[in-house]
Amino acid sequence: DQQVKQNSPSLSVQEGRISILNCDYTNSMFDYFLWYKKYPAEGPTFLISISSIKDKNEDGRFTVFLNKSAKHLSLHIVPSQPGDSAVYFCAAGTSGTYKYIFGTGTRLKVLA
Amino acid sequence: DTGVSQDPRHKITKRGQNVTFRCDPISEHNRLYWYRQTLGQGPEFLTYFQNEAQLEKSRLLSDRFSAERPKGSFSTLEIQRTEQGDSAMYLCASSLASSYNEQFFGPGTRLTVL
Repeated sequence: DQQVKQNSPSLSVQEGRISILNCDYTNSMFDYFLWYKKYPAEGPTFLISISSIKDKNEDGRFTVFLNKSAKHLSLHIVPSQPGDSAVYFCAAGTSGTYKYIFGTGTRLKVLA
Repeated sequence: DTGVSQDPRHKITKRGQNVTFRCDPISEHNRLYWYRQTLGQGPEFLTYFQNEAQLEKSRLLSDRFSAERPKGSFSTLEIQRTEQGDSAMYLCASSLASSYNEQFFGPGTRLTVL
């Protein structure tokens, strides 16, 4: 049972435009969500997180939106840059948890 | 470099052999996690330590797998009698013990079982 789903395996976006990566979850107990970025031959790198008490969190070019009623979160990257090309994973857990459930990832390619 | 380090980065072994991986977490982090990632999948939780205590093991961690974290510092993950299905990237992460904790990942050890 895939509790965290990223239904788009890949996404291509023109440099300077907005990238929107989506993630759906099924477990209503999840109350903390994170996005990680992964380059080839490297471990995942933490990008941004959001707790369920918020519906938006922003950090520079990255914004995460959370829609609890729809059990959906999205990551917006504006403006997209070629260096953003990577695989993006969303992850979810409950507060105080020691483990996260990861989605299968979306490969973003930003075209120059 | 004060990030999470893992050794070796790559390991090729023959089926039936034993392998051991090492993880050195960020020094002030008291939580340490092991994940496994296979092609096309996200990281899957294997086990977790708080200091030297191993607090949970996933059902993915069969009896052939054992992990230790002596003295609450570095950790080792051993796989005995490796099988081809064990081929994967093994990721280590560490974090502080707080309600909302970002886990910081190492570069991983890629295991290939022939």
